[in-house]
Amino acid sequence: GESVGLHLPTLSVQEGDNSIINCAYSNSASDYFIWYKQESGKGPQFIIDIRSNMDKRQGQRVTVLLNKTVKHLSLQIAATQPGDSAVYFCAETLIQGAQKLVFGQGTRLTINP
Amino acid sequence: EAGVAQSPRYKIIEKRQSVAFWCNPISGHATLYWYQQILGQGPKLLIQFQNNGVVDDSQLPKDRFSAERLKGVDSTLKIQPAKLEDSAVYLCASSTYQETQYFGPGTRLLVL
Repeated sequence: GESVGLHLPTLSVQEGDNSIINCAYSNSASDYFIWYKQESGKGPQFIIDIRSNMDKRQGQRVTVLLNKTVKHLSLQIAATQPGDSAVYFCAETLIQGAQKLVFGQGTRLTINP
Repeated sequence: EAGVAQSPRYKIIEKRQSVAFWCNPISGHATLYWYQQILGQGPKLLIQFQNNGVVDDSQLPKDRFSAERLKGVDSTLKIQPAKLEDSAVYLCASSTYQETQYFGPGTRLLVL
């Protein structure tokens, strides 16, 4: 079946710097995308989502960019903090229907003091 | 608002034994999902319920896995008999119809 993949398994940034986590998706029919954050020993936590009729969406310190032409999704985290250290997953689905989420492998983000 | 509750948090069993996991979704969430997350991978959907009916169980290994949501609220996921490759975190999530899925803390299963 379709899968969502990430370009890098690990990413290290200095505290206070901005970080960018990338994701490539394969199902061109997907029209809803979500970023989740998973800390050790916890379940995935919703961060931000975007629908395919948008190319950018901003939240608090986070921005998601969607490029449907190349089927690419990115998560930008501004002014990273130690609490941002976690594994980040992108997931794709269809808005209509059962909303079966397909997750990528994840990127481990480490914030260095 | 209380989140998705799961129990137990950890379970260690020997292969060929049986195990059951319990999930209590967020109040009012009609849709409930069970995911399997193998170490180093993203979660994979096992089964999805809408109220007490199954919407999607295409990736559930039905020869050994079963799940139910009899009253449309709590759900149990059972593995019988367990295999070594079933070692994983089992995540429960819930949502209102076609809205954001919220995950529980998961049950970490180790099969020896």
